[in-house]
Amino acid sequence: GNSVTQMEGPVTLSEEAFLTINCTYTATGYPSLFWYVQYPGEGLQLLLKATKADDKGSNKGFEATYRKETTSFHLEKGSVQVSDSAVYFCALKERGNTGKLIFGQGTTLQVKP
Amino acid sequence: DSGVTQTPKHLITATGQRVTLRCSPRSGDLSVYWYQQSLDQGLQFLIQYYNGEERAKGNILERFSAQQFPDLHSELNLSSLELGDSALYFCASSAGAPSSYNEQFFGPGTRLTVL
Repeated sequence: GNSVTQMEGPVTLSEEAFLTINCTYTATGYPSLFWYVQYPGEGLQLLLKATKADDKGSNKGFEATYRKETTSFHLEKGSVQVSDSAVYFCALKERGNTGKLIFGQGTTLQVKP
Repeated sequence: DSGVTQTPKHLITATGQRVTLRCSPRSGDLSVYWYQQSLDQGLQFLIQYYNGEERAKGNILERFSAQQFPDLHSELNLSSLELGDSALYFCASSAGAPSSYNEQFFGPGTRLTVL
């Protein structure tokens, strides 16, 4: 079945460091890909998305490119802030008549001042 | 604020009991999804409704059931609760048909603790 694999955390960075969180997926067909962020005590918020190969999603300085050849959707940010500390989830949505999301296990990011 | 509301925020109950979790989707959203977040299983899709009809089922136990009402709010019923059912339960909603690429907006979740 379809699945998403993320790099294990926690990831600890200093403020202004470069961030990469790896995400790879297994899916039949051409899924849509998403990154969600969960701040402590809150629900998930969509960070960015890409719906087809080579699409680049971007938001709040975060970027991810849909790479079909490597089945990857790595999240990057050039300069992280303390306020970026959260849990990040990579997810895919299968094509078809359901909209269910399949999530990776989540990666905790801690940014220190 | 996503516009999706869930009640209650916290729920503490005993094994063997039954509880009902409630979700109100964003205004106008026809699709409702339920997810379970636990330490050992991560975030897992449970069930999906579209305009009152069940559209997809995931890893939902037979002890669990859900429905979506004519006013589009949804309820997730959990019965014969076990310790392992302790988790955060999220509801999400989206506009349009399930096959679209519309974003899912998540509620703040209901934290269920089974003692």
